[in-house]
Amino acid sequence: DAKTTQPNSMESNEEEPVHLPCNHSTISGTDYIHWYRQLPSQGPEYVIHGLTSNVNNRMASLAIAEDRKSSTLILHRATLRDAAVYYCILSGVKTSYDKVIFGPGTSLSVIP
Amino acid sequence: EAQVTQNPRYLITVTGKKLTVTCSQNMNHEYMSWYRQDPGLGLRQIYYSMNVEVTDKGDVPEGYKVSRKEKRNFPLILESPSPNQTSLYFCASRLAGPYNEQFFGPGTRLTVL
Repeated sequence: DAKTTQPNSMESNEEEPVHLPCNHSTISGTDYIHWYRQLPSQGPEYVIHGLTSNVNNRMASLAIAEDRKSSTLILHRATLRDAAVYYCILSGVKTSYDKVIFGPGTSLSVIP
Repeated sequence: EAQVTQNPRYLITVTGKKLTVTCSQNMNHEYMSWYRQDPGLGLRQIYYSMNVEVTDKGDVPEGYKVSRKEKRNFPLILESPSPNQTSLYFCASRLAGPYNEQFFGPGTRLTVL
C-alpha cells in the first residue's frame, strides 16, 4: 500500500506563506493526493486534493511534482487559525477495495 | 445541515463488555469508514464500506466488527473490548470515488478499563 511521509512539525510566522511537503514515492497512477487538517479537539477536515495538475481553492494550493512522487501544500498567508495537524494521504481504487492510509501528519505552529 | 454524527461522544467501559458506537450520515454517501487515532500514530483505518452490505478491512481491523445494513448508518461494534482499544474514534463518509472529500464526525473517545 502506498504511504506518505511528512515532517513531524513545522513553524511559521503569521501572515507568511507556508509550504508543507509530502513524499509519496510509491504512489500509483490511480491514487489521488488529498490533504486534510485537524484542528485541536476536532475531526479532520478536507483541505484540497489533486491527481496530476496543480490545484487551487479558497483554502490553499496544491503543487504536485511532475513525477507525482511528492507534493506540497501551500498556505498563502498563515493565520493563527491554521495551526493544526496536516495530513497528506493517498486515496485510490485498486480492484475492488478503497483503502485510505493516514500518516502521523505535520503539526503546524503559527507564531503571532 | 450536512453532517456525520457519532454516538456516544464519550464512553468509559470495562474489559469484555460489548459496545456499539453508532455513525450516521445524511448526505446519501456510498462510502463510509472508521478510524482510530492514537498519539503519535495519526489516523488508522479500521474498516470501510463501499456501499450497503459491502464492507472490507482497513489496516487495524482486529477486535472490531462493522455492518452496513442501511446506507446512512455504519455502526462499529466491539464484541469484547480490551484496554488496547482505548482510543479516539472517527467515522467518515464520502461519495463513491477516491477523488471525493471525506466528511468526518466529531469523534468518540473510548476508554476501556
